[in-house]
Amino acid sequence: NAGVTQTPKFQVLKTGQSMTLQCAQDMNHEYMSWYRQDPGMGLRLIHYSVGAGITDQGEVPNGYNVSRSTTEDFPLRLLSAAPSQTSVYFCASSYGGTGSYEQYFGPGTRLTVT
Amino acid sequence: GNSVTQMEGPVTLSEEAFLTINCTYTATGYPSLFWYVQYPGEGLQLLLKATKADDKGSNKGFEATYRKETTSFHLEKGSVQVSDSAVYFCALYRKTSYDKVIFGPGTSLSVIP
Repeated sequence: NAGVTQTPKFQVLKTGQSMTLQCAQDMNHEYMSWYRQDPGMGLRLIHYSVGAGITDQGEVPNGYNVSRSTTEDFPLRLLSAAPSQTSVYFCASSYGGTGSYEQYFGPGTRLTVT
Repeated sequence: GNSVTQMEGPVTLSEEAFLTINCTYTATGYPSLFWYVQYPGEGLQLLLKATKADDKGSNKGFEATYRKETTSFHLEKGSVQVSDSAVYFCALYRKTSYDKVIFGPGTSLSVIP
């Protein structure tokens, strides 16, 4: 099992550019989530999905879109990048609800917006 | 609302020293509590968890006890190693309008030989 994979590992964008962060898992997990990690703030939930075709907003969803067309993939789209979106992004998956089951995290994508 | 507070560090210890990282939480009812660890350049991994009051989670020599009366879940290890150098996150889960885990800000630990 590869677990949770994320691409790219590093990305630099200019303000206003768009891009998609890729996330895939091969554990047949229903739950997938996107977090951003900022110094002194821990991880904050951006969007999450409880299964293919179902997504919902977390606590910091503005400026991001997601879709879940398959169980395996959960891409995160930045529509018009802003410097405030400079962060490290983590994708995570779990078998069931995040309170009941261990979350498995990908290695992260470090994004810089200039 | 639900929240997690933990000492931010950085914490620097010598090898074989005793480790305590404090974590307190605010939540209604009985949340599940977790410690995750992030090694340099990697994503987070679950270290241990406890789902009800007085439960003790343990793994890799680390322990934490769910204390409802003090709303705490302090992480301890009797003898740290250089390989324990990482960032440690305390987290809680409480079912609300949506399914999410709330993470603390993380505590950076450096263990020197």
